[in-house]
Amino acid sequence: ETGVTQTPRHLVMGMTNKKSLKCEQHLGHNAMYWYKQSAKKPLELMFVYNFKEQTENNSVPSRFSPECPNSSHLFLHLHTLQPEDSALYLCASSQAAGGTGELFFGEGSRLTVL
Amino acid sequence: DAKTTQPTSMDCAEGRAANLPCNHSTISGNEYVYWYRQIHSQGPQYIIHGLKNNETNEMASLIITEDRKSSTLILPHATLRDTAVYYCIVRAVAGFQKLVFGTGTRLLVSP
Repeated sequence: ETGVTQTPRHLVMGMTNKKSLKCEQHLGHNAMYWYKQSAKKPLELMFVYNFKEQTENNSVPSRFSPECPNSSHLFLHLHTLQPEDSALYLCASSQAAGGTGELFFGEGSRLTVL
Repeated sequence: DAKTTQPTSMDCAEGRAANLPCNHSTISGNEYVYWYRQIHSQGPQYIIHGLKNNETNEMASLIITEDRKSSTLILPHATLRDTAVYYCIVRAVAGFQKLVFGTGTRLLVSP
């Protein structure tokens, strides 16, 4: 238990569906992150939020739409995805400033796009 | 952030020490060395980090060379549950932090 909870753990969707991934952290952190991990590839940073403001978009296609309504919650809205978007999507949180710089990761949401 | 180089894979016998090397020859003076591991299909887990002194916690020890160009993560008594991909990451600790992961070292602990 890392204090970062992701739901759903598994998701199967068609290319025309709209779905959302949810991340919630109970650690009092102010920075939240989305990473993508495709098969046999390193983790790729997608988005960074710092105090609810998006501070980084790592050239992610617009079919991925993040939302951070508050410092404890982070969503990734998915629409018209492609099969190559199938991957493990990981959420993480950290203190926004100071601290040890440690990131706490959730267990991930495994997405399959048919 | 400085680039790191790690071996692709390593093997270790259960109960023996696992020594995982990392080269970071372009490390800057304000950059720390972080180690994370990822057990299959789980999120990465923080292990340890250090600046220039050796560090030890309940999980592992981190040995950083005097010139800081390389480091070694030591798991003193490896168990089967230590089988994972281990990532060495170098970055400065200033403000919020993003981690950039490389390919890491796949450690296989065998009976």
